[in-house]
Amino acid sequence: DVVMTQSPLSLPVTLGQPASISCRSTQGLVHSDGNTYLSWFQQKPGQSPRRLIYKISNRDSGVPDRFSGSGSGTDFTLKITRVEAEDVGVYYCMQSTHIPPTFGPGTTVDV
Amino acid sequence: EVQLVESGGGLVQPGGSLRVSCAAFGFSFRRSWMDWVRQVPGKGLVWVSRIDDDGTRKFYADSVKGRFTISRDNAKDTLYLQMNSLRAEDTAVYYCTRDYSGHFGNWGQGTLVTVSS
Repeated sequence: DVVMTQSPLSLPVTLGQPASISCRSTQGLVHSDGNTYLSWFQQKPGQSPRRLIYKISNRDSGVPDRFSGSGSGTDFTLKITRVEAEDVGVYYCMQSTHIPPTFGPGTTVDV
Repeated sequence: EVQLVESGGGLVQPGGSLRVSCAAFGFSFRRSWMDWVRQVPGKGLVWVSRIDDDGTRKFYADSVKGRFTISRDNAKDTLYLQMNSLRAEDTAVYYCTRDYSGHFGNWGQGTLVTVSS
């Protein structure tokens, strides 16, 4: 199985300041169809996960443009340009190029 | 509006069975691949199973293969997960998810399954 790692696992942030989470995979994530199925999810306390980014850098509908994804190969990054109070929660990267899909351990973002 | 509504969770004894359901609203269910993902409270996300749009292709995590069965009824816009030979380590919140623009685009609110004597 592809193992996803994230760093840091805990990210204290200051409101209005940028934040960045790194995600690495143990295998390349380019699918035979040419897409790279690397997604980012946000889970706020007491809520279901919500997808923010799909295929490395595509924002889902309704996701603020302060969130952006980048990367290639085995290294990926989620960036928040200016953290807001509502961004507190756990962030997961996930690969679904290979079966089984696998999630990173999660990064807790807290003020 | 896309909605996924899980139901059927509850308390079951080790070795027992349970079927959880996911009712889909607001999109073409019959054209969507679907997944189940579980989460032990306070822990991370783990993929469980996937089914294609017409129910012919099914995929399972090794930890549930041979015990869980994913299925769907496209006439009822409903996804199912039949869980047999349940173990304590199957205790988790089970989420139904819809694949679009890649995978896991929409999530339900989850249903809690507790395996305990």
